[in-house]
Amino acid sequence: EAQVTQNPRYLITVTGKKLTVTCSQNMNHEYMSWYRQDPGLGLRQIYYSMNVEVTDKGDVPEGYKVSRKEKRNFPLILESPSPNQTSLYFCASRGLGGTQYFGPGTRLLVL
Amino acid sequence: AQKITQTQPGMFVQEKEAVTLDCTYDTSDPSYGLFWYKQPSSGEMIFLIYQGSYDQQNATEGRYSLNFQKARKSANLVISASQLGDSAMYFCAMREIGGSARQLTFGSGTQLTVLP
Repeated sequence: EAQVTQNPRYLITVTGKKLTVTCSQNMNHEYMSWYRQDPGLGLRQIYYSMNVEVTDKGDVPEGYKVSRKEKRNFPLILESPSPNQTSLYFCASRGLGGTQYFGPGTRLLVL
Repeated sequence: AQKITQTQPGMFVQEKEAVTLDCTYDTSDPSYGLFWYKQPSSGEMIFLIYQGSYDQQNATEGRYSLNFQKARKSANLVISASQLGDSAMYFCAMREIGGSARQLTFGSGTQLTVLP
């Protein structure tokens, strides 16, 4: 089954404790992205990647890091989480010119 | 710069009736794609329908159709014969094909409630 998976689905953490949200797709897609969704703001892009070892900032990259060492994986790293990073996070992928498919989302609460 | 506007924060529709969700966009790129996604209360983002800027006909997918009016820069989603399971948040999104490979830009969404 073609899909985008994210882990964990739910996470409660404390300010400053580094965390990683994993994302994996099995569709051999070139493009992958991370978004955050906040009430009233819709989805905003954090980072995106056009292929292995090629990443670039989206609209709200501050406080986040990403890496793309393999085509299928695109982890999101919060080196020192803060309460304003409490949000619903989505990973997404698409092929060349194709429709973007989303993972199930990760709900993060930073205390 | 891209911009997507959804002016209806919330909509109500009676079961079995049709409903139109509005979306207008702004782009200087002549080549772009328009998307609609559904987000039920469980949180996942479900792709519904796609319209390319050069497509001659309006896109349709089952009960979903996209009323694409290029000159007016609008891409309204029409849901026919609404069902209770259609109650969800709906997002319009756009991606410019030319220029950078940046991903989708989303509107703020419309919360649709289908009444029995």
